[in-house]
Amino acid sequence: GAVVSQHPSWVICKSGTSVKIECRSLDFQATTMFWYRQFPKQSLMLMATSNEGSKATYEQGVEKDKFLINHASLTLSTLTVTSAHPEDSSFYICSALLANQPQHFGDGTRLSIL
Amino acid sequence: AQRVTQPEKLLSVFKGAPVELKCNYSYSGSPELFWYVQYSRQRLQLLLRHISRESIKGFTADLNKGETSFHLKKPFAQEEDSAMYYCALRESGATNKLIFGTGTLLAVQP
Repeated sequence: GAVVSQHPSWVICKSGTSVKIECRSLDFQATTMFWYRQFPKQSLMLMATSNEGSKATYEQGVEKDKFLINHASLTLSTLTVTSAHPEDSSFYICSALLANQPQHFGDGTRLSIL
Repeated sequence: AQRVTQPEKLLSVFKGAPVELKCNYSYSGSPELFWYVQYSRQRLQLLLRHISRESIKGFTADLNKGETSFHLKKPFAQEEDSAMYYCALRESGATNKLIFGTGTLLAVQP
């Protein structure tokens, strides 16, 4: 149980393109979803916290207009990297949470901007 | 400020040797501590949490509030334990945010 699906797993696109990443909780309704960014050989850095039906809470230094988060239902959150540039290339990971249970993580999305 | 420190980037041991992955934290409230593991080409998954006080795959971790530590231990390492291990702290209150350490790569040699 507690499976989190993330799609796509890998995307390569040109600079200036907007990219959407989906995060779904497959067998439970997530009260909260989180978006992380991970650079090579570094730890996960929390970008934002997303609650269904409300605006996401962004961590300090994360541009909310650059990284748009939509949490339309209890099983789906999306992260859109708008007008992506090479410096946005990274590994993006989502996690989903039900109540006070531990977070369950997706497989991650590797984003490469050319 | 809240912080999780894992001082070792890499820990290499031989099969059958004891393992201790260090984790120290800095938090003003009452934290909840976790160990997550990431095997090669797999997603991050929960290994254990301090409130459960259980042993998973032979690993245990005890929260030491005096030393603000939550070290992960296993008496006899196995090759399949080779993975990236992350210590994480969950803030008390409504946010449920996790603060991760930088991770320790455990390499168990045959």
